[in-house]
Amino acid sequence: EAQVTQNPRYLITVTGKKLTVTCSQNMNHEYMSWYRQDPGLGLRQIYYSMNVEVTDKGDVPEGYKVSRKEKRNFPLILESPSPNQTSLYFCASSMTGGSAYYEQYFGPGTRLTVT
Amino acid sequence: KQEVTQIPAALSVPEGENLVLNCSFTDSAIYNLQWFRQDPGKGLTSLLLIQSSQREQTSGRLNASLDKSSGRSTLYIAASQPGDSATYLCAVSPAASKLTFGTGTRLQVTL
Repeated sequence: EAQVTQNPRYLITVTGKKLTVTCSQNMNHEYMSWYRQDPGLGLRQIYYSMNVEVTDKGDVPEGYKVSRKEKRNFPLILESPSPNQTSLYFCASSMTGGSAYYEQYFGPGTRLTVT
Repeated sequence: KQEVTQIPAALSVPEGENLVLNCSFTDSAIYNLQWFRQDPGKGLTSLLLIQSSQREQTSGRLNASLDKSSGRSTLYIAASQPGDSATYLCAVSPAASKLTFGTGTRLQVTL
């Protein structure tokens, strides 16, 4: 089954404790992206990757890191999480780096709480 | 900066009604527009993708239209069912590799 998977689905952590949220897709998509969703603000893009070893900042990259060493994986790293990073996180992928012609497929989400 | 607005924020209709969800965007220079459905506790499911050169797309009971010049899109749902209850999100692609989302319309279809 074609899908985007994220782990963990739920995470409660404390301020400053480094964490990684994994994202993997099995559709051989070139493009992957991370979003966060907050009430009243909608989904906002954190980082995206056009292809392996190519990443770039989205609208809200502060406090996050990403890497794209393999085509299928795009982990999101929070080096020193803070309470304002409490949010619902989504990973997405699409066939090309330009979303002009291809729809984006989303993972099930990771609900992160930082205390 | 592209802004996407969805009105209404919430909508409740009885089963069987036809309904229209609205999406407006401030910058008409877009690559495409995509409608998503989001169920509680789940990710986003793509419903329809309209390229900038297209006027509408249809899938089953869903029809989405796009008017770039006026910065508007509508999602028409025919003969609504309780299973259509979800939050519907509109997103525009103002540049390659980017999606700008609206805050959604929460739809409840009652028996």
